[in-house]
Amino acid sequence: AQKITQTQPGMFVQEKEAVTLDCTYDTSDQSYGLFWYKQPSSGEMIFLIYQGSYDEQNATEGRYSLNFQKARKSANLVISASQLGDSAMYFCAMREGLAGGYNKLIFGAGTRLAVHP
Amino acid sequence: DVKVTQSSRYLVKRTGEKVFLECVQDMDHENMFWYRQDPGLGLRLIYFSYDVKMKEKGDIPEGYSVSREKKERFSLILESASTNQTSMYLCASSPTGDRGTEQYFGPGTRLTVT
Repeated sequence: AQKITQTQPGMFVQEKEAVTLDCTYDTSDQSYGLFWYKQPSSGEMIFLIYQGSYDEQNATEGRYSLNFQKARKSANLVISASQLGDSAMYFCAMREGLAGGYNKLIFGAGTRLAVHP
Repeated sequence: DVKVTQSSRYLVKRTGEKVFLECVQDMDHENMFWYRQDPGLGLRLIYFSYDVKMKEKGDIPEGYSVSREKKERFSLILESASTNQTSMYLCASSPTGDRGTEQYFGPGTRLTVT
């Protein structure tokens, strides 16, 4: 069965430091996609970054990068130069299957990140 | 700009009441989803719909039903609310597309059943 595991319920980091949020996944599919979402205290889910299983390069979006290690089935989110506004809940998610499907996602339990000044 | 709206941010209902949670998207997306979010459990899929009047059960459909009469609107129904349905409910939509197609979320409804 497909599964996403985030083993860190909570993390804290000093402002301007880098932080890595862990995510491991389990799937028997060869074709899948991995997403990271941010959820501030206001509740809305904000899409951060995407990595496809066939993408050879790690995805990057501004201060966010995804450290994709396919053999280890891990897709860790790296936030560089943390800011106070990065304090939020972070969810890793996976989509299985080929293009054109329903686009269902499976989510991990989340990691709450606190950025300290 | 992409927009998913939910009818209420906060809702308090009594046990046994019928509860309707409404979700509207303005992006002409085929797919719509209802999740519940609980601490330590992340987001769990209740139901999703891939077309008008079409629906599929997610991982935790028990105690819920859904309705999609128009493409832009997806309703979650609690036929007889119970205290264990106290939770945050999130609606999302997405187009049918490649593996990288993200889901767009509404602001959430925090439901309390007393």
